[in-house]
Amino acid sequence: GESVGLHLPTLSVQEGDNSIINCAYSNSASDYFIWYKQESGKGPQFIIDIRSNMDKRQGQRVTVLLNKTVKHLSLQIAATQPGDSAVYFCAENANDYKLSFGAGTTVTVRA
Amino acid sequence: DTGVSQDPRHKITKRGQNVTFRCDPISEHNRLYWYRQTLGQGPEFLTYFQNEAQLEKSRLLSDRFSAERPKGSFSTLEIQRTEQGDSAMYLCASSRSNTGELFFGEGSRLTVL
Repeated sequence: GESVGLHLPTLSVQEGDNSIINCAYSNSASDYFIWYKQESGKGPQFIIDIRSNMDKRQGQRVTVLLNKTVKHLSLQIAATQPGDSAVYFCAENANDYKLSFGAGTTVTVRA
Repeated sequence: DTGVSQDPRHKITKRGQNVTFRCDPISEHNRLYWYRQTLGQGPEFLTYFQNEAQLEKSRLLSDRFSAERPKGSFSTLEIQRTEQGDSAMYLCASSRSNTGELFFGEGSRLTVL
């Protein structure tokens, strides 16, 4: 079946450095993608989204890049802070905004 | 707090018992979703509503599971004859139709002994 997946389950990054989290998707019909952050014991929290007619979108300290040719999505976090430590999920919409989630990448920020 | 609210936050039950979770979405949102999340995994879609109409149920939702949204506002998810494999975090989310972003609640964690 088609699914969303992340390349690496864990990422350790030095405080102040930039983080890059990758995600591969396989459903070419997906037209909307979204990144969520989930802290321990909490629900997923929206970070940033992007539609398939765009290849880049920037938010506050975050940038999402979409490469439809290779079905790849990435989340860049600038100047990573301790509060960025969490699990990050990419999700895709292939049909009526029932989002399909990947397994997640756990980001740990080292002081 | 005007976010998505879920109750209870934690539920411990014995195998075979019935449990019910409640979700209160953001008031102006007409879509409501239920997801299940197990440790180390991403949320898995269970079912969703537009107003009071249940639009789709995942094949993950066995006949022991039932969800309702009778007045198009709050929703309940009931699990009958719970099994240990039902232990998970049950997440509720809401959105405006066709806008994409789902707003999640803090979840209801179920432990079946």
